[in-house]
Amino acid sequence: KAGVTQTPRYLIKTRGQQVTLSCSPISGHRSVSWYQQTPGQGLQFLFEYFSETQRNKGNFPGRFSGRQFSNSRSEMNVSTLELGDSALYLCASSLASGVNTGELFFGEGSRLTVL
Amino acid sequence: AQKVTQAQTEISVVEKEDVTLDCVYETRDTTYYLFWYKQPPSGELVFLIRRNSFDEQNEISGRYSWNFQKSTSSFNFTITASQVVDSAVYFCALSNYGQNFVFGPGTRLSVLP
Repeated sequence: KAGVTQTPRYLIKTRGQQVTLSCSPISGHRSVSWYQQTPGQGLQFLFEYFSETQRNKGNFPGRFSGRQFSNSRSEMNVSTLELGDSALYLCASSLASGVNTGELFFGEGSRLTVL
Repeated sequence: AQKVTQAQTEISVVEKEDVTLDCVYETRDTTYYLFWYKQPPSGELVFLIRRNSFDEQNEISGRYSWNFQKSTSSFNFTITASQVVDSAVYFCALSNYGQNFVFGPGTRLSVLP
């Protein structure tokens, strides 16, 4: 069974630009959650979507947004990029609402570099 | 507020040694879940175990074992007879029902041949 797929794996942007990251969950999984990983702040929860609805949201500014499609694929968008947005963005999928159960299956991440 | 502390930033052991990774958590809720995840160099986190707050039974899975003690708010992870493939960053995490998922800062384990 295919795992969680994130695209692109690597990307470089400049300050002020916006970026869209994509996540395809494991087939049958309805929950997708997003995390930011940086050396300074560690792993931080961004948001979770379940059946196209945002279920939970972490403590990030409104520049970070996401959505989920009817096929459970999810995208997250970061607008007006700042240098501090450089990070590994990880997507995870689960059958039920993952934030509660924690049985998350992670992708390999999208590494964003902001110059 | 929820918080997870992993005091050991980095640990190095020689293959076949036993190693324990410490995790201390803070929460005011009585119902919560605790987890351990492994992040190998490839980047994706791998789920290892989940424990709910009402289940203090220790668990053993092969070379892995977990010790959950509510009295000390700890959920420690022991690898017995470590192997080079165990080298990774290990994260302890906490989830309260209906709330966010909080990860600890991680412990980087290096197992030397």
